[in-house]
Amino acid sequence: ETGVTQTPRHLVMGMTNKKSLKCEQHLGHNAMYWYKQSAKKPLELMFVYSLEERVENNSVPSRFSPECPNSSHLFLHLHTLQPEDSALYLCASSQDRGRGIGELFFGEGSRLTVL
Amino acid sequence: QQPVQSPQAVILREGEDAVINCSSSKALYSVHWYRQKHGEAPVFLMILLKGGEQKGHDKISASFNEKKQQSSLYLTASQLSYSGTYFCGTEAFGNEKLTFGTGTRLTIIP
Repeated sequence: ETGVTQTPRHLVMGMTNKKSLKCEQHLGHNAMYWYKQSAKKPLELMFVYSLEERVENNSVPSRFSPECPNSSHLFLHLHTLQPEDSALYLCASSQDRGRGIGELFFGEGSRLTVL
Repeated sequence: QQPVQSPQAVILREGEDAVINCSSSKALYSVHWYRQKHGEAPVFLMILLKGGEQKGHDKISASFNEKKQQSSLYLTASQLSYSGTYFCGTEAFGNEKLTFGTGTRLTIIP
């Protein structure tokens, strides 16, 4: 496989459920990101991991919990979500060279619906 | 604060030209441009760095005016494949994070 792959592609969950989104990159990059894309809103940065350390938590509610066990994998653990959390969650990776943000490679996203 | 894109949407006939603008209130280190087709992942187009550079490939080019904190994306002789939503992402000095605009929806009709 190549690029950035996300699973599941679609997820429906109730507000009391616990689920996880998974992202895997096969590009040898050292930085990974979670973005949220809602209708008619810009892409919102949620979390950034660089060299497996979280370097950004963009005021995201604690019901979203990221995990980066190694440079190739990124998870987003979800619990007690709200209907307004329904959105497309995009994972991306890049090569952090220490001078500015490089090209982002996005996965196709996980479409989340919270009932 | 997110960059502002204009126009929000544009419809063109195949072969026509388009300009999409992106402006920020912050001093910028770089501007990124991405295109997202419906149901697909955003795809990188180009990065422009401080120094007021211009870039382009094929018939898509962009400029970055760092004094005005503005960037423009130029699509020349548009093709049907250019349809999609175009996003600019800005990176401000001292803040290594990419903030995206609300997007410009481009529709090309035959």
